[in-house]
Amino acid sequence: DGGITQSPKYLFRKEGQNVTLSCEQNLNHDAMYWYRQDPGQGLRLIYYSQIVNDFQKGDIAEGYSVSREKKESFPLTVTSAQKNPTAFYLCASRTSSQSDEQFFGPGTRLTVL
Amino acid sequence: GENVEQHPSTLSVQEGDSAVIKCTYSDSASNYFPWYKQELGKRPQLIIDIRSNVGEKKDQRIAVTLNKTAKHFSLHITETQPEDSAVYFCAASFSGNTGKLIFGQGTTLQVKP
Repeated sequence: DGGITQSPKYLFRKEGQNVTLSCEQNLNHDAMYWYRQDPGQGLRLIYYSQIVNDFQKGDIAEGYSVSREKKESFPLTVTSAQKNPTAFYLCASRTSSQSDEQFFGPGTRLTVL
Repeated sequence: GENVEQHPSTLSVQEGDSAVIKCTYSDSASNYFPWYKQELGKRPQLIIDIRSNVGEKKDQRIAVTLNKTAKHFSLHITETQPEDSAVYFCAASFSGNTGKLIFGQGTTLQVKP
């Protein structure tokens, strides 16, 4: 299970606050992804990045922002503009050159109080 | 747009029986189809995947079949065991640089001892 980590495991936020979720990988993977998972639903893509200093919106990017300043790191900021941020957030990475397989981090459960 | 439909949403079988989960996808250009297993509160784990140039793939008790013409693919688990109980997700992707995965809604499998 090593290789891709997320922190914190649990996060509580008051309404109106921005929070940043950490995602780090030491797999030397080029591509990284952020997904949101709600109860009883599949994973939905928020943002993805194929190389450093470049990223694209996924299907549900509104209210979120990302950066990719280093290959190993792809932090996700949940802004106050996100109307319903309570969810399980999963980060994933992929080598991009040799395999389509995505490896997932352990996830961060965000709760808005 | 890209869409993946997954059925059934819940599946209950007796230990030792077989389980089948089916998915359909909308985009005929999709050519990579992974299946993930997710235990409660844990990260999704890849259990098997198939590419569009292959019709069937097996790995011990698990098999996946793909019908490109009908745009559907299925997961087959034989000789089910209680530890197979989990949520299973199918996904479809374009192979290539983006690696975007579109996930099905998930199937909760319960294997009764």
